[in-house]
Amino acid sequence: DGGITQSPKYLFRKEGQNVTLSCEQNLNHDAMYWYRQDPGQGLRLIYYSQIVNDFQKGDIAEGYSVSREKKESFPLTVTSAQKNPTAFYLCASSLAGAKNEQFFGPGTRLTVL
Amino acid sequence: QKEVEQDPGPLSVPEGAIVSLNCTYSNSAFQYFMWYRQYSRKGPELLMYTYSSGNKEDGRFTAQVDKSSKYISLFIRDSQPSDSATYLCAMRGNQFYFGTGTSLTVIP
Repeated sequence: DGGITQSPKYLFRKEGQNVTLSCEQNLNHDAMYWYRQDPGQGLRLIYYSQIVNDFQKGDIAEGYSVSREKKESFPLTVTSAQKNPTAFYLCASSLAGAKNEQFFGPGTRLTVL
Repeated sequence: QKEVEQDPGPLSVPEGAIVSLNCTYSNSAFQYFMWYRQYSRKGPELLMYTYSSGNKEDGRFTAQVDKSSKYISLFIRDSQPSDSATYLCAMRGNQFYFGTGTSLTVIP
């Protein structure tokens, strides 16, 4: 089955801890993205990567970090510097090129205790 | 001004009704338009993908793009309770731009 997987589905973190959210895709997509979704605010872009070993900051990158060591993997680390990390995090991917649509994973719900 | 504007609703309709969901956008350079359906606590699922102006139909769903008015619509015919979800519009520019979503409830 081709698709995007995210793990874990639910994640609880104590304040001051870093946590890493996993995102894997087997669609052979070049580009991968991380979004944060909060009620009433829609999707906000955190980071994106168009190619292995390269990534760009999105609109709300502060307090987050990413890596892209493999084409199929794009993990997101939520650091202790992120002031309000409780949210629903969505990973997405697309083929390269301006005409290609974006597909989403199932999401990870992060709660800071 | 936001790149994409979408009425958040909520929208409540009886089963069998025709639903119209709409978005407006500000950037005339957008050429690729998407509609996603998102169930509670799930990732968005791509419903429709259209290029430039015109209509595209897929089963009970029709996507319509009017580039002259910078307006896109999604019509759902014979709505079902299983259509109850949040619907997100999206456009492709140098990145993807999303509306905030419209919450739809179809009442049996």
